[in-house]
Amino acid sequence: DIQMTQSPSPLSASVGDRVTITCRASQSIGNSLNWYQHKPGKAPKLLIYAASSLQSGVPSRFSGSGSGTDFTLTISSLQPEDFATYFCQQSYSTPLFTFGPGTTVDVK
Amino acid sequence: QVQLQQWGAGLLKPSETLSLTCVVHGGSFGGYYWSWIRQPPGKGLEWIGEINQSGSTNYNPSLKSRVTISVDTSKRQFSLKVTSVTAADTAVYYCVRDWQQALFNSFDPWGQGTLVTVSP
Repeated sequence: DIQMTQSPSPLSASVGDRVTITCRASQSIGNSLNWYQHKPGKAPKLLIYAASSLQSGVPSRFSGSGSGTDFTLTISSLQPEDFATYFCQQSYSTPLFTFGPGTTVDVK
Repeated sequence: QVQLQQWGAGLLKPSETLSLTCVVHGGSFGGYYWSWIRQPPGKGLEWIGEINQSGSTNYNPSLKSRVTISVDTSKRQFSLKVTSVTAADTAVYYCVRDWQQALFNSFDPWGQGTLVTVSP
């Protein structure tokens, strides 16, 4: 199985901060990497697919980059509604999908 | 807009069978795979398996021996059964659509989640 790791966790930040979360795959996965936002008691929400493509309706302050084994999710200016857990997911080894452990962004 | 609504028993005893169902509201039911994903308390997400309109399935090898996913196209529903549950199966279970964009797979949307607790 392809293992996914994330750092840091947790991540403490303030409103207005630029936030960067890293995801690493145990082997090269090309651009087959997705990012999700998850708030307690709610359904996870797709933010970024194919490493850098913004899902429809997602604010442009979210962006993704990377390829191969190393990927990043960046929030350019953290908003109050962005405090949540973010996790990555690889779709390279379809259909055996695997997820990162998640990075919780909390208030500094 | 596609919405997924799921339901099923939330409290089970060891050795019982977990059973959850998800109905798809809006959008097209055919042409997609539909998955089940779970998250044990304090742990990461685990993909369980998927099914399409024709009943073709794929399962996570780690759970394959105990998992059955079925579909009822007429009702726009798909279901999950996990046999012989133990405390390790305690988790929030989600139904999701396998969404393909530009040949890349992702999961969108997700159901609201169902907490299933296995306790004697």
